Amino acid sequence: QKEVEQDPGPLSVPEGAIVSLNCTYSNSAFQYFMWYRQYSRKGPELLMYTYSSGNKEDGRFTAQVDKSSKYISLFIRDSQPSDSATYLCAMSGGGNQFYFGTGTSLTVIP
Amino acid sequence: DTEVTQTPKHLVMGMTNKKSLKCEQHMGHRAMYWYKQKAKKPPELMFVYSYEKLSINESVPSRFSPECPNSSLLNLHLHALQPEDSALYLCASSQVDLGFRNQPQHFGDGTRLSIL
Repeated sequence: QKEVEQDPGPLSVPEGAIVSLNCTYSNSAFQYFMWYRQYSRKGPELLMYTYSSGNKEDGRFTAQVDKSSKYISLFIRDSQPSDSATYLCAMSGGGNQFYFGTGTSLTVIP
Repeated sequence: DTEVTQTPKHLVMGMTNKKSLKCEQHMGHRAMYWYKQKAKKPPELMFVYSYEKLSINESVPSRFSPECPNSSLLNLHLHALQPEDSALYLCASSQVDLGFRNQPQHFGDGTRLSIL
């Protein structure tokens, strides 16, 4: 079983839609939960992260962590064409190893 | 623009060449990483330096040789690479907190490497 599972999509939504991206994990020692956005031919950009559990909001983006279900989510409200990218979840227990999901490709159609 | 700077952005080299990739950060981060990323795949960890010392080598072939001259710089020396080594090479850095926990990583935009 992989440490982190993420639906690869692709996901295609109309502009203005609410997007939900999800990852599941198996290691209960994970404490840091991160979401990265990666545009084509660029490096991953840290969008948001949470430590331990709970929700975090930043503008149109909301990250949620449910440690009891080992499930994390990223919600994007009022999605824009500029949100079209690959979204990677990542997790760590605070050590040197970071575990990535496979990435979800998102296209927002104008 | 990212706070982790990688040079060059693109590199084409033959299998007998020797070249180096460079990475620089000025965020005071004490952990630095090299990743390899193939198309439509997540980054794959190669090396980790913590406080300028190599702490993780993910069984990477010896044709890849990392170096951390100081806390801001990270190099990856390349020699006798194979065509399958063509990929995007990403550098990342992260802060280490007082509890020696590695904070989330910040990535550069990578070097796109092509081996002829």
